[in-house]
Amino acid sequence: TQLLEQSPQFLSIQEGENLTVYCNSSSVFSSLQWYRQEPGEGPVLLVTVVTGGEVKKLKRLTFQFGDARKDSSLHITAAQPGDTGLYLCAGGYNFNKFYFGSGTKLNVKP
Amino acid sequence: GAGVSQSPRYKVTKRGQDVALRCDPISGHVSLYWYRQALGQGPEFLTYFNYEAQQDKSGLPNDRFSAERPEGSISTLTIQRTEQRDSAMYRCASSLVSLAAYNEQFFGPGTRLTVL
Repeated sequence: TQLLEQSPQFLSIQEGENLTVYCNSSSVFSSLQWYRQEPGEGPVLLVTVVTGGEVKKLKRLTFQFGDARKDSSLHITAAQPGDTGLYLCAGGYNFNKFYFGSGTKLNVKP
Repeated sequence: GAGVSQSPRYKVTKRGQDVALRCDPISGHVSLYWYRQALGQGPEFLTYFNYEAQQDKSGLPNDRFSAERPEGSISTLTIQRTEQRDSAMYRCASSLVSLAAYNEQFFGPGTRLTVL
């Protein structure tokens, strides 16, 4: 049983479209991280959110942490083929132990 | 600077053999983590260290798995009497600080273990 559920599992869209992926849990986390992983590589951190309700923007990516610190979303505006990859959320306990979700595999077609 | 390195990158072994997987973290990083990752899935927490102290090993699947970091730098994950179900990508990550809100983990390239 996954502590963090991510949806959708797979997403295939055309370049220029917008998308949102979700990360949900029944547990409260001290922090929530989003990573992107490309084939054959390790995950690379995109953002960390720590405050309930927090919103962070990274160029075309917008991350939100739920008010209760149990869930998060990642919104991508005007997706590009370079956004293709596996998007992972990770919930942190005491900032030092992290549980990862199962991931959303995004494919952006040119 | 050099990132996290792991060796070997690929390991094929026969069922029942012991294997040792090595992780060399970024110099000066306090925390070191071990994960196991199935293809297309997120990493599964195994254990982590702050300096040389193993803080949490609750993710180790059973007592055939052990890890050490004797000098607070390089770490070894050992799997005894390997079984086919142990086949997976084993990833190591390190982070500069411990117990910090913005604790960024840097992942290594992983060791692909195949047990025949």
